Amino acid sequence: DAGVTQSPTHLIKTRGQQVTLRCSPISGHKSVSWYQQVLGQGPQFIFQYYEKEERGRGNFPDRFSARQFPNYSSELNVNALLLGDSALYLCASSLVDGSSNYGYTFGSGTRLTVV
Amino acid sequence: GQNIDQPTEMTATEGAIVQINCTYQTSGFNGLFWYQQHAGEAPTFLSYNVLDGLEEKGRFSSFLSRSKGYSYLLLKELQMKDSASYLCAVVLPLYGGATNKLIFGTGTLLAVQP
Repeated sequence: DAGVTQSPTHLIKTRGQQVTLRCSPISGHKSVSWYQQVLGQGPQFIFQYYEKEERGRGNFPDRFSARQFPNYSSELNVNALLLGDSALYLCASSLVDGSSNYGYTFGSGTRLTVV
Repeated sequence: GQNIDQPTEMTATEGAIVQINCTYQTSGFNGLFWYQQHAGEAPTFLSYNVLDGLEEKGRFSSFLSRSKGYSYLLLKELQMKDSASYLCAVVLPLYGGATNKLIFGTGTLLAVQP
């Protein structure tokens, strides 16, 4: 079985531009979460989607948005990029709520650099 | 607010045992994960605790005390490949309690020396 797939793996953008990151969860997983990991820090929660509905949002500005499609894949959009948005963006998929030994499976992430 | 503390860095010797501590103060608790993360890679699952006590998986063990807001990860027979960042993450319920999010500590960078 394929794991969690994220694309692209690396991305360089200029301040003020917009970016779209993509995630395909493990087959059968209906929940997708997005996390931002700045170098030297732990991941920070951005969004959680379950059955195509937003179920939670972290402390991020409205420049960040996301959606989940009928096939449970997801996109994260960031508008008006700032230098501080440079980070590793991680997608995690889970069966439902993740609170079990099945837990969350993370993708390899998208490394976004804003210059 | 939510607070998760773990040491920033640790150093240990190949073949030895190391214990990485994690303390947490959170509003809500649906379990605690430990993840291993090599530089530039995805976090990978090591253990999950939701009840008090010790969970053992091969060279890795994890302990939880909910009353003390405390967990530790124990790594035995250390190998060079264990050099990585170890992340402690608390599972918190989201609105309505049907789904959850993870709150991570900053991670403990473990260096295993020969």
